[in-house]
Amino acid sequence: AQSVAQPEDQVNVAEGNPLTVKCTYSVSGNPYLFWYVQYPNRGLQFLLKYITGDNLVKGSYGFEAEFNKSQTSFHLKKPSALVSDSALYFCAVRERGYGQNFVFGPGTRLSVLP
Amino acid sequence: DSGVTQTPKHLITATGQRVTLRCSPRSGDLSVYWYQQSLDQGLQFLIQYYNGEERAKGNILERFSAQQFPDLHSELNLSSLELGDSALYFCASSVFEGGTGNTIYFGEGSWLTVV
Repeated sequence: AQSVAQPEDQVNVAEGNPLTVKCTYSVSGNPYLFWYVQYPNRGLQFLLKYITGDNLVKGSYGFEAEFNKSQTSFHLKKPSALVSDSALYFCAVRERGYGQNFVFGPGTRLSVLP
Repeated sequence: DSGVTQTPKHLITATGQRVTLRCSPRSGDLSVYWYQQSLDQGLQFLIQYYNGEERAKGNILERFSAQQFPDLHSELNLSSLELGDSALYFCASSVFEGGTGNTIYFGEGSWLTVV
């Protein structure tokens, strides 16, 4: 069965510093991997996804994520954090094949301190 | 704006009652998903429809049901409501169904409070 872990409930980072939000997954085969962000009282917004090809994926708002097959990880990164990046971040995985569905991680709350 | 529309945005109802949440997917999307988000359970997948047919079922209670209509909008029916059903209910949509790398896009959610 698919599963997604986000080992940190909360990540704090100073504005201007690089940020990393961690995600590891467990699936059979090669998955599709996604990151979503949720601002307070809003729906989840798509940030980026890994389908195939280059392991470094670039997405919205300057975010990027690196797919590491050997470590089954898909960490979200940004070189310079903004206060406005403070939100709840979800990693999601979807197995390839008919009938497979999204599985979301528990979420990581990112706080960027001014 | 994701293009997924959910109504109502907020709903307060009493225990034992029944409510219906409505979702209009993005234009051109055939697949609709329902998720429940609560503080203690995180984001839980409930059910998925593709072009009117049920495709996948998650942790959906027997008191809950859903359907997707010919015009592709979907409704989630919650009955015999309990206090624990208070949550944010999301609808999401995608062009295709499972197994492809297509992205799902979320609506803003319907806040349900059961008192």
